[in-house]
Amino acid sequence: KNQVEQSPQSLIILEGKNCTLQCNYTVSPFSNLRWYKQDTGRGPVSLTIMTFSENTKSNGRYTATLDADTKQSSLHITASQLSDSASYICVVFGSSNTGKLIFGQGTTLQVKP
Amino acid sequence: NAGVTQTPKFQVLKTGQSMTLQCAQDMNHNSMYWYRQDPGMGLRLIYYSASEGTTDKGEVPNGYNVSRLNKREFSLRLESAAPSQTSVYFCASSERVLYGYTFGSGTRLTVV
Repeated sequence: KNQVEQSPQSLIILEGKNCTLQCNYTVSPFSNLRWYKQDTGRGPVSLTIMTFSENTKSNGRYTATLDADTKQSSLHITASQLSDSASYICVVFGSSNTGKLIFGQGTTLQVKP
Repeated sequence: NAGVTQTPKFQVLKTGQSMTLQCAQDMNHNSMYWYRQDPGMGLRLIYYSASEGTTDKGEVPNGYNVSRLNKREFSLRLESAAPSQTSVYFCASSERVLYGYTFGSGTRLTVV
């Protein structure tokens, strides 16, 4: 069964600290993996998109890594800010002709001053 | 700002009532999607339209219908609302199915 599992479910860190969010997937065939940020009451906003040939992709203080062999991805947030408080969703695109993204449940991050 | 616009933002329905959720995008994207988001679960695809004139079922289509009115607009209709359809609904669009998605801000629907 195609699944995307994220950990931890929730995380609290102090402003200025770094953190890493994990994503494991069993989706096959694999096309690309995406990380989204979703603020409370808003729609998800894309942070990164990686294909199987890409190991790392950065977007400002956000760095995503991908290991297609172990089917794992991580999202590292550097020097966290209060505005980083949000839900971070890992999404895997497994098929090129159905438009079906497989969404993880998300990790809720709270950054405290 | 350019993007995906959803209306209404909030709606309360009684069981059995019908309503249509509207979605419009101004990015000239070919593909559009409807998702629902429930607590503790990932977004689930209801219906999608890979291109103007086509629609296909997603993971949870029962109780819903869609219309791709033109390239810009993709509506979701609940013919007879049920409490199980209480959810937050997101519309999204993409240039093509492999490309990045742009999401709307969502419609929070409560069925009582």
